[in-house]
Amino acid sequence: RKEVEQDPGPFNVPEGATVAFNCTYSNSASQSFFWYRQDCRKEPKLLMSVYSSGNEDGRFTAQLNRASQYISLLIRDSKLSDSATYLCVVTLSGNTPLVFGKGTRLSVIA
Amino acid sequence: SQTIHQWPATLVQPVGSPLSLECTVEGTSNPNLYWYRQAAGRGLQLLFYSVGIGQISSEVPQNLSASRPQDRQFILSSKKLLLSDSGFYLCAWRALGYTFGSGTRLTVV
Repeated sequence: RKEVEQDPGPFNVPEGATVAFNCTYSNSASQSFFWYRQDCRKEPKLLMSVYSSGNEDGRFTAQLNRASQYISLLIRDSKLSDSATYLCVVTLSGNTPLVFGKGTRLSVIA
Repeated sequence: SQTIHQWPATLVQPVGSPLSLECTVEGTSNPNLYWYRQAAGRGLQLLFYSVGIGQISSEVPQNLSASRPQDRQFILSSKKLLLSDSGFYLCAWRALGYTFGSGTRLTVV
């Protein structure tokens, strides 16, 4: 089983739609969770951290289910500029390197 | 403010040639530094990480090596490149999550 698994997509959605991405992780000892965004041919950039209680940043909502080892990202009112690959990232605490999923590609269509 | 610099942005190298990619960090001391590679259509693969000067951990056996000669400098090297070394190489330093450099797109021909 892969450490971090994501549906590769692509998800093709119209502007204004709500879209959700899911991610599962295999190591139950994982402590920190993130969503990154990567534009084509660019470096990944931190979108948001994922907290146990769930957290929201504008149109973006992240949730964590430790029991099911599952992370989600919800994007409301999709914009054309949201088109990118979204990477699920997991790590143990401290100096342990981050482990990246392969990403889910989103295309928002006018 | 903390910044990370990586160069060159693009590189085309023949098979068998050497490689040296440099990454430097400013505005922080004793950072944890990482080299990742992203091959076409694939995820980010951790190559090396370093928690201090001279301390290198290798994640994947291959013909690449890394060195950390100074606190804020991390170098990725190869003596002889293979075609399979082509990819997008990213340096990162660890804060809350990672901050990545802008990457080097390497094509081995």
